[in-house]
Amino acid sequence: DTEVTQTPKHLVMGMTNKKSLKCEQHMGHRAMYWYKQKAKKPPELMFVYSYEKLSINESVPSRFSPECPNSSLLNLHLHALQPEDSALYLCASSQDMGGGRNSEQFFGPGTRLTVL
Amino acid sequence: AQKITQTQPGMFVQEKEAVTLDCTYDTSDPSYGLFWYKQPSSGEMIFLIYQGSYDQQNATEGRYSLNFQKARKSANLVISASQLGDSAMYFCAMREGNRGGADGLTFGKGTHLIIQP
Repeated sequence: DTEVTQTPKHLVMGMTNKKSLKCEQHMGHRAMYWYKQKAKKPPELMFVYSYEKLSINESVPSRFSPECPNSSLLNLHLHALQPEDSALYLCASSQDMGGGRNSEQFFGPGTRLTVL
Repeated sequence: AQKITQTQPGMFVQEKEAVTLDCTYDTSDPSYGLFWYKQPSSGEMIFLIYQGSYDQQNATEGRYSLNFQKARKSANLVISASQLGDSAMYFCAMREGNRGGADGLTFGKGTHLIIQP
């Protein structure tokens, strides 16, 4: 199994809703990531998990809350989002960290989030 | 300062021609990796090719090759014999090796490639 899956593919939510994005990989990768991508922009890193521990939080607002229940799963809990949070949310995983071989990140198809 | 620079916002190329997508980078870390990703309109980021800072030879993967010029800090992607399915957004990205081992990818702004029949 060489893919990263994400659910749901599309999500529309109001500013008072609570929802969660789910990401799963079965490649035995030790690191998992959340990125946010606005239209016509490159992805921006939000969170990094290494060995199920949060190692980077790139100053993301607290209305985004990541969770890594086990080495294969990564969730992103959403609460009280703003319309400007509408974006494509990409999950990725990699075998290794750093810049060496096997550090390439494999991405899921993303969740297109619209906040009304 | 931008760490990854892609100077071509958009490119039109005739089918079957070769195309070069430019990428320059900036880092003081001696250990780093350079990556190219393709993003079709569907949104998925597809990994194409990797080049390590210590690699002596240019990376190749099928129709993709990376023209790595370390002294110039450039890592251009070359696609040979372009196909209509190559039309997509292409991102150059870097990962520095000595940032405590806990970081993600830094992306350039991307090049929108359109292959014309």
